[in-house]
Amino acid sequence: GNSVTQMEGPVTLSEEAFLTINCTYTATGYPSLFWYVQYPGEGLQLLLKATKADDKGSNKGFEATYRKETTSFHLEKGSVQVSDSAVYFCALRGGVNFNKFYFGSGTKLNVKP
Amino acid sequence: DGGITQSPKYLFRKEGQNVTLSCEQNLNHDAMYWYRQDPGQGLRLIYYSQIVNDFQKGDIAEGYSVSREKKESFPLTVTSAQKNPTAFYLCASDGTGGEQYFGPGTRLTVT
Repeated sequence: GNSVTQMEGPVTLSEEAFLTINCTYTATGYPSLFWYVQYPGEGLQLLLKATKADDKGSNKGFEATYRKETTSFHLEKGSVQVSDSAVYFCALRGGVNFNKFYFGSGTKLNVKP
Repeated sequence: DGGITQSPKYLFRKEGQNVTLSCEQNLNHDAMYWYRQDPGQGLRLIYYSQIVNDFQKGDIAEGYSVSREKKESFPLTVTSAQKNPTAFYLCASDGTGGEQYFGPGTRLTVT
């Protein structure tokens, strides 16, 4: 079945450091891939998405490339800010049950000034 | 502005009582979803609805019920049969590009 695996957190970085949060997936067919961000006490916000292999999603300085050969969708940002502190979720949709989203367990990012 | 609203933001109930969480959207989306989130964990699907008057169980439907009488509304009832109801509940709907949009959530505490 479908599943998403994210690196465990928390990840603690200094401001302006480079960020990578690893995400790998298992899925049948050709799923769409997503990154969501959740700030404390709030709902999830869509950060970026990619719908086919080699697509790169990008938003607010964050990027992720859909790598079918490695079944990965790692999130990157060149220079993090304190305001990027949040929980990041990788997710996929597709395969046998298109109605269902499969979420990773989330990775908490702490950025220190 | 279009979006999903959930009310109330915080809800407190005594054990043994049923409680209904509200979810309203003005995005004209057909499909709507309810998720449960526990501290430090991902999201688990409770129920979803593709169209009015139709809904399906998700992974953890036991102890919950829903209705979908209007396209805009998808309320969730947490019944007394739910053994561990204290959690953060998120409502979502499907966008046209396959993504889901989320409401701000309701934090339910049952004592």
